[in-house]
Amino acid sequence: GNSVTQMEGPVTLSEEAFLTINCTYTATGYPSLFWYVQYPGEGLQLLLKATKADDKGSNKGFEATYRKETTSFHLEKGSVQVSDSAVYFCALSDFTSGNTPLVFGKGTRLSVIA
Amino acid sequence: EAGVAQSPRYKIIEKRQSVAFWCNPISGHATLYWYQQILGQGPKLLIQFQNNGVVDDSQLPKDRFSAERLKGVDSTLKIQPAKLEDSAVYLCASSLADLSTEAFFGQGTRLTVV
Repeated sequence: GNSVTQMEGPVTLSEEAFLTINCTYTATGYPSLFWYVQYPGEGLQLLLKATKADDKGSNKGFEATYRKETTSFHLEKGSVQVSDSAVYFCALSDFTSGNTPLVFGKGTRLSVIA
Repeated sequence: EAGVAQSPRYKIIEKRQSVAFWCNPISGHATLYWYQQILGQGPKLLIQFQNNGVVDDSQLPKDRFSAERLKGVDSTLKIQPAKLEDSAVYLCASSLADLSTEAFFGQGTRLTVV
């Protein structure tokens, strides 16, 4: 079946540090990949997505590249801010099998300190 | 554009009691999902509707959980009777019916069973 594994948290960084959150996936088909973010007290929001190999999703300074050869979709940001403190979820959906729902990783909590 | 609305935001009940959650998806979204998010884990799909029909309820504990979307718009998720392990955030999401489309999430209902 489909599954997502992402690095354990929490991750604590100083402002302006470089961020990487690792995500790998297992899928039977050819999935689309997503990063969702959950800010304190808010619902899940789509951060970025990629639908095919070598696509790069980007938003708000965050980037992730769909790597089919390593089945990975690592999230990166060059300079984090305090406002980036949140829980980040990697997810996939295998649309080749129909309108299938999202399968999520466990989430990684990021805390950025000034 | 109004987002996905959920109520209540918080609920505390005793074990063996019943509880119901309500969700109103974004207007025009044919697909509606209910997810369960236990503390420290990623959201897990409980049930997926396409209009008023069930697409996937394979992970719904049907002995105690039920859900309906009678008119293909808003939806209700019920737990009866509740167990301690049902303590979680219950997330509703909706999306357009076509493939490779984004799911939009509500803020969730935090359930505590004591």
